[in-house]
Amino acid sequence: GENVEQHPSTLSVQEGDSAVIKCTYSDSASNYFPWYKQELGKRPQLIIDIRSNVGEKKDQRIAVTLNKTAKHFSLHITETQPEDSAVYFCAASITGFQKLVFGTGTRLLVSP
Amino acid sequence: DTEVTQTPKHLVMGMTNKKSLKCEQHMGHRAMYWYKQKAKKPPELMFVYSYEKLSINESVPSRFSPECPNSSLLNLHLHALQPEDSALYLCASSWNTGELFFGEGSRLTVL
Repeated sequence: GENVEQHPSTLSVQEGDSAVIKCTYSDSASNYFPWYKQELGKRPQLIIDIRSNVGEKKDQRIAVTLNKTAKHFSLHITETQPEDSAVYFCAASITGFQKLVFGTGTRLLVSP
Repeated sequence: DTEVTQTPKHLVMGMTNKKSLKCEQHMGHRAMYWYKQKAKKPPELMFVYSYEKLSINESVPSRFSPECPNSSLLNLHLHALQPEDSALYLCASSWNTGELFFGEGSRLTVL
């Protein structure tokens, strides 16, 4: 089955800096790669996703890149703000009603 | 309505109790999911229902029993749980495009 590894486990940055979180996946059949943000005590919420027919996707300050050959994808957050502080999970699945496998999570702390 | 609603928000039960967690969505999604999340860990899939039929059971112990009465409702029946089953139980729903919409979760404590 699919296995998703995520690094780093914790990331501390100063406000305004950029943050990068990296994930690798094992199943070459996976074609859907979402990123979820989970604030303390809250539900995971989708912030951006990418499908295997696209190499990069941007939405304002966040972007995701996908390298299918290397089986890795990354989340990039620019101009970080304190409200970006949360746990971020990458995930991978095959489109459809399939198992979404999550990475281990990255705790991002943005200091003012 | 883009919400997945879960009740109760908090539940404390003894090991001999029987209780149920409930989940409801009105987005017309045809798949519904139960995930379990322990503190500082990622969500772990338990069950998937697609078109009201159980399609994935991740080898979950029989003390957890899912039920999908209709396309909008999902229940998780709990019986004879263990303290290690204490966790946040997240319900989610989706179309077949992959994006999951999570509820706020039911925080379960087993004494």
